[in-house]
Amino acid sequence: AQSVTQLGSHVSVSEGALVLLRCNYSSSVPPYLFWYVQYPNQGLQLLLKYTTGATLVKGINGFEAEFKKSETSFHLTKPSAHMSDAAEYFCAVSNQAGTALIFGKGTTLSVSS
Amino acid sequence: DAGVIQSPRHEVTEMGQEVTLRCKPISGHNSLFWYRQTMMRGLELLIYFNNNVPIDDSGMPEDRFSAKMPNASFSTLKIQPSEPRDSAVYFCASSRGAVETQYFGPGTRLLVL
Repeated sequence: AQSVTQLGSHVSVSEGALVLLRCNYSSSVPPYLFWYVQYPNQGLQLLLKYTTGATLVKGINGFEAEFKKSETSFHLTKPSAHMSDAAEYFCAVSNQAGTALIFGKGTTLSVSS
Repeated sequence: DAGVIQSPRHEVTEMGQEVTLRCKPISGHNSLFWYRQTMMRGLELLIYFNNNVPIDDSGMPEDRFSAKMPNASFSTLKIQPSEPRDSAVYFCASSRGAVETQYFGPGTRLLVL
């Protein structure tokens, strides 16, 4: 069965530092992979997604993620954190039937000045 | 585009009362999802519809929960009777396809006393 594991429920970085949020997935079929962001008191919004093709995917707000099949990973990175990046981030994988998404537990990113 | 619309945004009710949450998906989207988010359990998929038909309701916690989608532009999630443990934020999301990008509404924050 498909599943998603987000390593680290809470990540803290300084402004200007590298952001790395980890996501590992389990899938018995070629996965579709997503990263969503949730700002306080708001719904989730898409950061980026991987379906097929290029394994390095660029998203909004300077974020990118690389699909590594051999490592079953889809880690999210940003070279330089900004205070406005503080939010909760969710990794998601398509289910086996390709009919819905399975979300991870989320990682809260804190950015300090 | 108006985005996914949910109402009410906040609901406070007493245990035993009926609660109805409403969702209007983005026009042209044929998949609709209901999620529940709590601190303890994270983001849980309750049920999703494709072309107004419920596809998978295995995430619905118990018979007290029911969801309908009478047409392509409206869905309801009903809890009857409500219990304090139902307190959560309930999100509706829609997409053009089951594993396409999901667009989330702002959520309904439910508090059952």
